Amino acid sequence: DAGVIQSPRHEVTEMGQEVTLRCKPISGHDYLFWYRQTMMRGLELLIYFNNNVPIDDSGMPEDRFSAKMPNASFSTLKIQPSEPRDSAVYFCASSLGQIFKNIQYFGAGTRLSVL
Amino acid sequence: GQSLEQPSEVTAVEGAIVQINCTYQTSGFYGLSWYQQHDGGAPTFLSYNGLDGLEETGRFSSFLSRSDSYGYLLLQELQMKDSASYFCAVRARGGQNFVFGPGTRLSVLP
Repeated sequence: DAGVIQSPRHEVTEMGQEVTLRCKPISGHDYLFWYRQTMMRGLELLIYFNNNVPIDDSGMPEDRFSAKMPNASFSTLKIQPSEPRDSAVYFCASSLGQIFKNIQYFGAGTRLSVL
Repeated sequence: GQSLEQPSEVTAVEGAIVQINCTYQTSGFYGLSWYQQHDGGAPTFLSYNGLDGLEETGRFSSFLSRSDSYGYLLLQELQMKDSASYFCAVRARGGQNFVFGPGTRLSVLP
């Protein structure tokens, strides 16, 4: 398997623009997680899905952030409008929930810079 | 809520042994995991403890004491490539999500 695939790897945009981050989880995994990583706040869980259904979105910072998972092989995280404080590395991860170790496999991340 | 504490930085020399501690507070507990992240890279799974005791995987070992809400990652025969950040993560009972600690940056010197 190719692992978790995220795109784009880098995104530079201007304040106020819409940003869409994409993620393809590992085939067969039933959990998908979106994280944000910054120096100040570390690795934060934004939202996670089980079988394409959002389970916990309490980490989503505000209404400007939205996430969807239309099918088992694709998810998006959208920021509209973007702000400079959204600059961070965004990771997508997937896991197989039935495995007791609950290993999460991370994608390479999207480095977002909002100018 | 959940919170985890780790030392921010640790420095050691090649060939040495280093221990990275993690203390946690959580309402409900299911397991403690450790992840490694190199600069510019993604977190990768290292070890998991669901029960008290020591888990060994090659040069890396992880320990858990649920009564003390404490765990540690032990790295032996340190190599330069072990220079990275190490995160402990708690999984609360009933959930599939993790809360990650702030991370410990390990620098291995020649």
